[in-house]
Amino acid sequence: NAGVTQTPKFQVLKTGQSMTLQCAQDMNHNSMYWYRQDPGMGLRLIYYSASEGTTDKGEVPNGYNVSRLNKREFSLRLESAAPSQTSVYFCASSERQVLTPLHFGNGTRLTVT
Amino acid sequence: GENVEQHPSTLSVQEGDSAVIKCTYSDSASNYFPWYKQELGKGPQLIIDIRSNVGEKKDQRIAVTLNKTAKHFSLHITETQPEDSAVYFCAASNQAGTALIFGKGTTLSVSS
Repeated sequence: NAGVTQTPKFQVLKTGQSMTLQCAQDMNHNSMYWYRQDPGMGLRLIYYSASEGTTDKGEVPNGYNVSRLNKREFSLRLESAAPSQTSVYFCASSERQVLTPLHFGNGTRLTVT
Repeated sequence: GENVEQHPSTLSVQEGDSAVIKCTYSDSASNYFPWYKQELGKGPQLIIDIRSNVGEKKDQRIAVTLNKTAKHFSLHITETQPEDSAVYFCAASNQAGTALIFGKGTTLSVSS
C-alpha cells in the first residue's frame, strides 16, 4: 500500500520553463491538496480538490494550475517557472475535506534557476 | 486573514524530559486541530488530532490540550527520546472547513 506517491522527487528548471508535478493516491480518498514548504514559512496551500471534478484556490495559487485527472490523481503545473517557485512541494489526500487526517507524499524538491 | 502562530521555533531537551509546543489560532470557527511530525526528507505525518468538542486527548507519550476560549492548543511529549527529534507542525481548520492552516513549525532536538 503506497499511500501518496509524488513524481519526480527532484527537479531543476530554468526560469520560464514549464513542468507538471504528478501525484497519485491509492487510499480511495475524495480530497486532494497541493502545499508548498519554504524555510520558516511552514506549509502553505496552493490548490485543493474537494472531490473528483472540482478544484479550488488555496492561499498561494498564483503561477500554478491543477488538474484532478480522476479520483486517484491530482497534478500541479507550473506554466512559466520563476525563481520564487523554488520550494518543496507536497501533495496530500484525505478521506473527506479537512476534518479528516491528511496523508502526505514525500515531496518534490524543485529548484528554479 | 486566518493565521496560526506556533512557538517556540526551536526546542532542545535532554532525553527523558518533557517538551511542550504551543499554538494560537485566529479564527473562532476553527474546529479541527491536528499535529504533524516531519522527519528529514519526508512528508509530514499525523501524530495526534483533536476536535473542538474535546479539551484533551492522549496517546501514550503524546497529549494535546485545547482551550477554545483562549484560542490556543498545545502538544505535550513526555519522556522524550532521540527519535522524537523532528519538525512538528500544528494546524487549524479554516472558517469554511475546506483546508488546514499550518503553523511555521518547531524543530525539536532531543539529546541523549
